[in-house]
Amino acid sequence: AQSVTQLDSHVSVSEGTPVLLRCNYSSSYSPSLFWYVQHPNKGLQLLLKYTSAATLVKGINGFEAEFKKSETSFHLTKPSAHMSDAAEYFCVVRGLFGNEKLTFGTGTRLTIIP
Amino acid sequence: GAGVSQSPSNKVTEKGKDVELRCDPISGHTALYWYRQSLGQGLEFLIYFQGNSAPDKSGLPSDRFSAERTGGSVSTLTIQRTQQEDSAVYLCASSVQSFGNEQFFGPGTRLTVL
Repeated sequence: AQSVTQLDSHVSVSEGTPVLLRCNYSSSYSPSLFWYVQHPNKGLQLLLKYTSAATLVKGINGFEAEFKKSETSFHLTKPSAHMSDAAEYFCVVRGLFGNEKLTFGTGTRLTIIP
Repeated sequence: GAGVSQSPSNKVTEKGKDVELRCDPISGHTALYWYRQSLGQGLEFLIYFQGNSAPDKSGLPSDRFSAERTGGSVSTLTIQRTQQEDSAVYLCASSVQSFGNEQFFGPGTRLTVL
């Protein structure tokens, strides 16, 4: 079985400073990993995905994540935070072909300080 | 184009009543998923439909929960004899059949059981 662990339930950064949201995964096979974002009272939106191609994945809104097999990590970063980045972020792993349900981490709430 | 739609957006019911939640997937999407988002359990998988295959019901928490998908399109999640712990946001997602495609989420139905 696969799982993901988000190491921080809440992260606060000042506007214009870097963002780091941490995620570790556990999987017995090469995983497909995702980051989703959920703004208040909005639906889940895909930020980026890793599916065994390039280990550095670029997503929308300037976010990127690096898959590190040796560290079993898939941390989400952004060089400069914007007020509109304030939201809940979920690290997600997907099951194998034929069992493609998503398993979500517990979420990290990102707060941006003006 | 139209995204995944869900109805109702909010549902308040009394303990012991049955409720039906509806999901309209994106046209042409053959895979449909139900998830639940609650304070205590986070985001968890409930059930997965893929084309004409038997659904994966492994995430349904009890036999009070059931779902069907008519004509390979619209899906209804039914909760019988609702309990207070069923209070949550119920999310529906759909994707194109091929493995590796993004799951697009609807806005959810917020269920409150009094």
